Amino acid sequence: DQQVKQNSPSLSVQEGRISILNCDYTNSMFDYFLWYKKYPAEGPTFLISISSIKDKNEDGRFTVFLNKSAKHLSLHIVPSQPGDSAVYFCAASAKSNYQLIWGAGTKLIIKP
Amino acid sequence: DTAVSQTPKYLVTQMGNDKSIKCEQNLGHDTMYWYKQDSKKFLKIMFSYNNKELIINETVPNRFSPKSPDKAHLNLHINSLELGDSAVYFCASSQLSEQYFGPGTRLTVT
Repeated sequence: DQQVKQNSPSLSVQEGRISILNCDYTNSMFDYFLWYKKYPAEGPTFLISISSIKDKNEDGRFTVFLNKSAKHLSLHIVPSQPGDSAVYFCAASAKSNYQLIWGAGTKLIIKP
Repeated sequence: DTAVSQTPKYLVTQMGNDKSIKCEQNLGHDTMYWYKQDSKKFLKIMFSYNNKELIINETVPNRFSPKSPDKAHLNLHINSLELGDSAVYFCASSQLSEQYFGPGTRLTVT
């Protein structure tokens, strides 16, 4: 039973355009959400996070939006750059134990 | 300086052997983890240690045993390796929810 779902295994976007990666969750106890980026042969690296008390968090080209009623979050990257090509993982946790529950990842390909 | 390091990066071994993967973090974090990334690329938590004490032990075979000599180190010992153990194993550490990962160890059992 997947509590965190990333339904798009891959996404292809033109360089300079906006990339939108989506994530859905089922557990209403989750109150902290994170996005990680992973290059081949490397470990995931933390990108951006959002607490459930907010609906938006922005860091440079990266913005995460949280819709609690829909149990949905999205990561926007604008403008997309070739170095953004990677696998993006969505993860969620509850303050009670900080254990991260992971989505399956979405492979983002930025086309020149 | 590497924040979370793992050795070795690649490990090729035969079925039935016993092997260890080492992990060290220099971030001063209290919690360390072992994850397995399977063939479908899911990241699955295996173990979590907080200040050298086991706090999460997911359903993994007891051939896998974590050992934490101090809070900066969490090693993974695997006995009687099986073909299905082939995967990439990641170590991570955290203070709160944000986890920092090592580069991974690709284990191939032949």
